[in-house]
Amino acid sequence: DADVTQTPRNRITKTGKRIMLECSQTKGHDRMYWYRQDPGLGLRLIYYSFDVKDINKGEISDGYSVSRQAQAKFSLSLESAIPNQTALYFCATIEGERSYEQYFGPGTRLTVT
Amino acid sequence: QKEVEQDPGPLSVPEGAIVSLNCTYSNSAFQYFMWYRQYSRKGPELLMYTYSSGNKEDGRFTAQVDKSSKYISLFIRDSQPSDSATYLCASDYGGSQGNLIFGKGTKLSVKP
Repeated sequence: DADVTQTPRNRITKTGKRIMLECSQTKGHDRMYWYRQDPGLGLRLIYYSFDVKDINKGEISDGYSVSRQAQAKFSLSLESAIPNQTALYFCATIEGERSYEQYFGPGTRLTVT
Repeated sequence: QKEVEQDPGPLSVPEGAIVSLNCTYSNSAFQYFMWYRQYSRKGPELLMYTYSSGNKEDGRFTAQVDKSSKYISLFIRDSQPSDSATYLCASDYGGSQGNLIFGKGTKLSVKP
C-alpha cells in the first residue's frame, strides 16, 4: 500500500461549491504539506503543518483552508471553488527535519467549471 | 522573480544520450539542492540531493551545485526511455520549515 494517499484522485466541481481534498499517511511523519501544481508555474505551497496544533500558511493560502485531524490526516478545503483553482493538488510529508526529502502522494486532479 | 528558475523544455533526446538539466537560483542562503523526478500522473519523488557545493553521483545520475554561480545541474548518462519524466529542481535553506522552493520542471523525453 502507498505511504501517502489522497482522495479523491479526480474531481470535477462547479463554481461556488465547497470541496474537501483528503490526505492520509502511514509513514508516521509529523510534518505534512499541501501543494498545487499548475503548468508553467510549478509546485507552490498552500499550507503546511508541523503537528495537529501547528498549522501555517504557505505562499498561496488565499481561498483555501486546512484541517489536521490527526497526525496521519491533513485535509484541504476550498470553501467556494473558483475556476482558477483548477490544478493538480499534492500532499507531502517530511520525516523530522529532513526537509530535502519530501514524500508526495499521487495527487488530486481538480477541475472547477 | 521566482527564486529558482528552470527551463521547462520540453527536451527530447535519443536513447543513450547524455542529458543535462539545469537550474539557477537567486538566494545565496540556500543550502540544500534537490532533484525530484515526476512521472506522468504521479507525485514527485526525490532523485538526489546535495548539501552546499559539489558533486554527487548515483549510478547514471550526477548532481552538481556551483554556489559561486548559483547553478544547479543534473546529468543523466546513457539515458533510457524509462528516464522520460518531468525533472524538478528545488532548493531549501536547510532550516526546520521544510518549505522547498521548486523550479517549474523540465519535461524530458528519451526516444528509443
